[in-house]
Amino acid sequence: AQSVAQPEDQVNVAEGNPLTVKCTYSVSGNPYLFWYVQYPNRGLQFLLKYITGDNLVKGSYGFEAEFNKSQTSFHLKKPSALVSDSALYFCAVRDWAAGNKLTFGGGTRVLVKP
Amino acid sequence: AAGVIQSPRHLIKEKRETATLKCYPIPRHDTVYWYQQGPGQDPQFLISFYEKMQSDKGSIPDRFSAQQFSDYHSELNMSSLELGDSALYFCASSLDRGNEQYFGPGTRLTVT
Repeated sequence: AQSVAQPEDQVNVAEGNPLTVKCTYSVSGNPYLFWYVQYPNRGLQFLLKYITGDNLVKGSYGFEAEFNKSQTSFHLKKPSALVSDSALYFCAVRDWAAGNKLTFGGGTRVLVKP
Repeated sequence: AAGVIQSPRHLIKEKRETATLKCYPIPRHDTVYWYQQGPGQDPQFLISFYEKMQSDKGSIPDRFSAQQFSDYHSELNMSSLELGDSALYFCASSLDRGNEQYFGPGTRLTVT
């Protein structure tokens, strides 16, 4: 079975400081990894994905994520956070062996303070 | 760019009633997914369709059914509604099954 863990329920960061949201995963096959962001009363917006290739993936709005196979992690990062980045962030994994479904982590609420 | 359309956006039903949620995928997307997100929870996969055939099934109750039509839109039918069915229901679509899923704005179902 596939699973995703986001160890932090909330991350607080000052505007302009680096932002990191942690994610670890467990799959039986090769992982397809995704990050989504959810604003209040809105749907999930796709940020970036890792399928294969370079371990550092660049996505929307200045976000990037690093795939680390040995640590089974896929942490989301942004060098300089904005107040508008305050939202709920979900890491998700898809295991080819398990079909099409995405399995989401519990979500991490990011609060960027001015 | 066109996004996933869901209707209705809000729905209030009483216990034991039925509800139908509709999803219109992004044009040319052939795969549709349904997820349920309870209050303060992460989205849980319900069911998916690829080229109008069911492709994966998750934690969908037997009281729920879904299908994908010839124009690729999908409907989630929910019967004998229970209070615990109150949630945000997301539809997502993708081009083929291997690509990223794009989510609609969701339908907020409240069962009273």
